[in-house]
Amino acid sequence: DAKTTQPTSMDCAEGRAANLPCNHSTISGNEYVYWYRQIHSQGPQYIIHGLKNNETNEMASLIITEDRKSSTLILPHATLRDTAVYYCIVRAINNTPLVFGKGTRLSVIA
Amino acid sequence: SAVISQKPSRDICQRGTSLTIQCQVDSQVTMMFWYRQQPGQSLTLIATANQGSEATYESGFVIDKFPISRPNLTFSTLTVSNMSPEDSSIYLCSAEIDQYNEQFFGPGTRLTVL
Repeated sequence: DAKTTQPTSMDCAEGRAANLPCNHSTISGNEYVYWYRQIHSQGPQYIIHGLKNNETNEMASLIITEDRKSSTLILPHATLRDTAVYYCIVRAINNTPLVFGKGTRLSVIA
Repeated sequence: SAVISQKPSRDICQRGTSLTIQCQVDSQVTMMFWYRQQPGQSLTLIATANQGSEATYESGFVIDKFPISRPNLTFSTLTVSNMSPEDSSIYLCSAEIDQYNEQFFGPGTRLTVL
C-alpha cells in the first residue's frame, strides 16, 4: 500500500507557483521522498527526490518538513504543459520498486 | 537519462488469446519491473523481473497469467495470457539504472481486449 496521502486534485493559474502537498507520517529513517508525474498517455517521469534537506533542480523544488512527516513539491512558474498527475512516493534506496498512490491531478489554467 | 522502449505500443486482442510485450533498455540496468495501469487508475506493480530466474510477483498476480522473462540485463518480456476484457490496461516497463537513484519508465503498451 502507498504510504502517502495527497489531495485528489488542484488547480493553478498559468505562470503562478504550484504547491503540491504530501503527507507521509509513517516514513522510516532510511526512506526518501520521490516525486514523479504522469502526463496523459505517457509513462511516469521523475521530477525530484530528497531525504531530509530541501532540494532544487531545473524542474522543481522539494521542501521536506523537519520531522519528515510531510513535504511540498513546488513548480515555480507553472505552464500548461505541467498539467499532469503528480505522485509523491516514499522509497528506500537499494532498488526497491516504486509503489504508487492515487496522486494529485494538477490542472494548470490559462 | 535512460531510454526504455516497448513493443507493441498498442494492440487490440481477442478474448482467450495471449500477447507478449517486449521491453528494451539502452543503459546498464540493475532492476526491471512491470506495472499495470487500469483505465483512470494509478499504477500497480505486477512483478520484479529477475535476470535468469523466476520473476517476483506481487499479491494478486501469478506467473500463469503474467509470465515474465528476463534473459539478459537490458531486456524483458511480459505475457498477458488467456486474456479477458478485464485485462484491458496500459502495461508499463520500468528500470532502475546503475548510475541514477531513480526508476525510468517506458511509454507503455495500451492493450484492449474484446
